[in-house]
Amino acid sequence: NAGVTQTPKFQVLKTGQSMTLQCAQDMNHEYMSWYRQDPGMGLRLIHYSVGAGITDQGEVPNGYNVSRSTTEDFPLRLLSAAPSQTSVYFCASSYGGLAGDTQYFGPGTRLTVL
Amino acid sequence: GEDVEQSLFLSVREGDSSVINCTYTDSSSTYLYWYKQEPGAGLQLLTYIFSNMDMKQDQRLTVLLNKKDKHLSLRIADTQTGDSAIYFCAESAGGSNYKLTFGKGTLLTVNP
Repeated sequence: NAGVTQTPKFQVLKTGQSMTLQCAQDMNHEYMSWYRQDPGMGLRLIHYSVGAGITDQGEVPNGYNVSRSTTEDFPLRLLSAAPSQTSVYFCASSYGGLAGDTQYFGPGTRLTVL
Repeated sequence: GEDVEQSLFLSVREGDSSVINCTYTDSSSTYLYWYKQEPGAGLQLLTYIFSNMDMKQDQRLTVLLNKKDKHLSLRIADTQTGDSAIYFCAESAGGSNYKLTFGKGTLLTVNP
């Protein structure tokens, strides 16, 4: 198993550009989440999904869209990038949604918006 | 609202015990977690504790929970240089592991 993979590892955008951060897992996990990590802020939940076709907003969803057309993939879209979206983005997945189900994190995508 | 607070830095000598502290505000929190993040990597779940427990031990790790004071601590016995990392406390009010509120993280530095 490759686990949770994220692409790209690094990305630089100009203000107003759009892009999609990719997240994939090959563990047949139902639950997937996107977090952003800013210096001194910990991780904050952007969007999450409890299964294919089902998504919901987290704490900081503005400026981001998600979809979940397959169990494996959970892309995060930035429609019009802003400097405030400069951050490290982590995708996570778990088989179940309860505390005893380990949540696996990807290695992260470091995004800079100029 | 939910809020999780941690001290930002801790420095210990190799072989000593480390104690990382965390406070949370949501009285309905049912699960509390500790994650470890090594440089340039994602987060790794270390352990979690149910809110109706006082203590949980897992090899070198001991988690203590004071529910009255909403205080959680992680003790690492015989700290090694490989334990140097950022440690995050997180809570889940609804018991789900995919909607977590994280603290800002504590940077643990282990000196040889």
